[in-house]
Order: sequence, then structure tokens, then C-alpha cells
Amino acid sequence: EIVLTQSPGTLSLSPGERATLSCRASQSVTSTFLAWYQQKPGQAPRLLIYGVSSRATGIPDRFSGSGSGTDFTLTISRLEPEDFAVYYCQQYGSSPRTFGQGTKLEIK
Amino acid sequence: EVQLLESGGGLVQPGGSLRLSCAASGFTFSSCAMSWVRQAPGKGLEWVSSISGSGGSTSYADSVRGRFTISRDNSRSTLFLQMNSLRAEDTAVYYCARRPSGAVIGPFDYWGQGTLVTVSS
Repeated sequence: EIVLTQSPGTLSLSPGERATLSCRASQSVTSTFLAWYQQKPGQAPRLLIYGVSSRATGIPDRFSGSGSGTDFTLTISRLEPEDFAVYYCQQYGSSPRTFGQGTKLEIK
Repeated sequence: EVQLLESGGGLVQPGGSLRLSCAASGFTFSSCAMSWVRQAPGKGLEWVSSISGSGGSTSYADSVRGRFTISRDNSRSTLFLQMNSLRAEDTAVYYCARRPSGAVIGPFDYWGQGTLVTVSS
């Protein structure tokens, strides 16, 4: 099983700042099968990024993904108030599909 | 518009059973593999089970294998999760989620709003 470790656990930033979230895998992720999701309180997760760097439908271009192998990054170039939420990475190339434990992005 | 609507959650005693349903609309249901993902209170996401578009292939997390059964009725565009021998650690919000149409391997691009299962005496 591929274990995904996200860091930091909590990130405190202000609107307008740049956010960098990390996801590290215990072994190489198959191909580019790495996704990022956003979850707000009381809501279902929403797909942001798939295939490491492709934005899902309707996702603004301030969200970008990068990385390869075992190290992946989600970057939010300029934080908007609605971006404060919990973010999860997921690998879907190997079974079982696994998620990271999440990074909470909170307003500073 | 793609919609996924779960139902069937509730309070059940340890050792009991529950059947969850997920009614899908807005897309060709039989073209999409479907999954269940759960989230214990205050915790992260855990993949539970997946089923292919035809229903001929299924997979399970080790934590539920032998106790849970995933199935689908393509004529009714509905996904199911039969949960038996429930344990306290199965307490969670259960989401149904879709893999993109035609994708052999893909992320979960649409999610339902979730249904809460509470296992407690």
C-alpha cells in the first residue's frame, strides 16, 4: 500500500499570499496518477487536480500541481477567501487507492 | 448536471447491517466505474470499495473485505453498499464517487453529499 504523507498539517496564511502544500509518497506513484481534492466543512470533497498537473473542470488557474515519483506539490498562487479549506492528495494508480491525511489551510 | 444522492445511513448496533444506496443522474451511469469513500468524524478520507461500469469487477479495502458488498443496478442508475457485521470503527460519512466516463484509471471527479452511518449500542 502506498502511504501518502502531507505537510504541513496546518498552514496559516493571509488572503493574497501564496500557498505551497506537499504530498510525499512511500513509493513511486504509478505514472501520473496523483490527484488533489479540496474539502470545506460539511461538504463533500471536490476534485481540483488530476494527473499531477491537470486542472479539473471549472477550477481556477491559481491552482496548480506539480511533481513526480514520490514528491508532489499543490500551489495556490494567490489565496482567495474561499480557498481556506482542507486539501487531500490521492494516488489512484495502485490498489488500494490511498489518500493523504490532509492539510488544513487556515486564515492567519 | 451530474448528481449523486446517497441514502440509507443511520444508527445501527455493532454486529448489525445496513444497505446504502446512491442514485445517479445526469450521465450514462453504466459507462462509469463507481466507488464508496468514507470519512470518520474529524478524520481523513478512506477508500472503501469500487465497482466497474458493468458490475463485473469489484475491489475492497482490507478493512471491509468479507463484510461489505458493493453492487449496482444500471437499469436504475443506482449504486449500493451492503454493510454487514458492522463495527464501531465503521462509523463515518459514506460518500459515493464517480470515476470519469470511459476511464480505466481515474480520480473521483464527482461526489455525493454523503450519508452518515453510526455504529453504536
